[in-house]
Amino acid sequence: AQSVTQPDIHITVSEGASLELRCNYSYGATPYLFWYVQSPGQGLQLLLKYFSGDTLVQGIKGFEAEFKRSQSSFNLRKPSVHWSDAAEYFCAVVRQAGTALIFGKGTTLSVSS
Amino acid sequence: GAVVSQHPSWVICKSGTSVKIECRSLDFQATTMFWYRQFPKQSLMLMATSNEGSKATYEQGVEKDKFLINHASLTLSTLTVTSAHPEDSSFYICSARLAGGKNNEQFFGPGTRLTVL
Repeated sequence: AQSVTQPDIHITVSEGASLELRCNYSYGATPYLFWYVQSPGQGLQLLLKYFSGDTLVQGIKGFEAEFKRSQSSFNLRKPSVHWSDAAEYFCAVVRQAGTALIFGKGTTLSVSS
Repeated sequence: GAVVSQHPSWVICKSGTSVKIECRSLDFQATTMFWYRQFPKQSLMLMATSNEGSKATYEQGVEKDKFLINHASLTLSTLTVTSAHPEDSSFYICSARLAGGKNNEQFFGPGTRLTVL
């Protein structure tokens, strides 16, 4: 069965520092991968997605992610974090049996000044 | 484009009552909508898959008689929590898949916070 693992439950980064959030997936074929951000009490906002092609994907708000098949990873990066980036981040993969998404448990990002 | 709305955004109800949550795709047609539930500080868990004109497919452990889903049109799906109890308090989020869309892209609604007293 497909699964998504986000190893880091909570990360704190200084404002202006770089960020990398880890995501590992389990899937037999080429996966469809997503990163979403959720602010407290809000819905989900799509940051970026990978379907095929270039393994380095650019998203909104200065985020990017790199798909590495050999490592079954899809890590999210940002070169310089802003205080407004503090939120919950979810990695997701399309479920094999249908089109629903399987979400990782999420990583809470805190930004310190 | 590709906007999904939910109504209401939050609701408080008494134990034993029923609550209906609407999910609408505002500017596109959605043959498939999904209902997720999110408990505080936890991830989203799929509850059911709703296909227009047919019965919903529920995930294991989700009571179909308690969480009634209707997808009567290509732009509207409803989730009714029947005889709600405090343990049903949660954040309910829907998503809609673009009819004819590629690559399984989904668009999420803003969520509905349900509190059962």
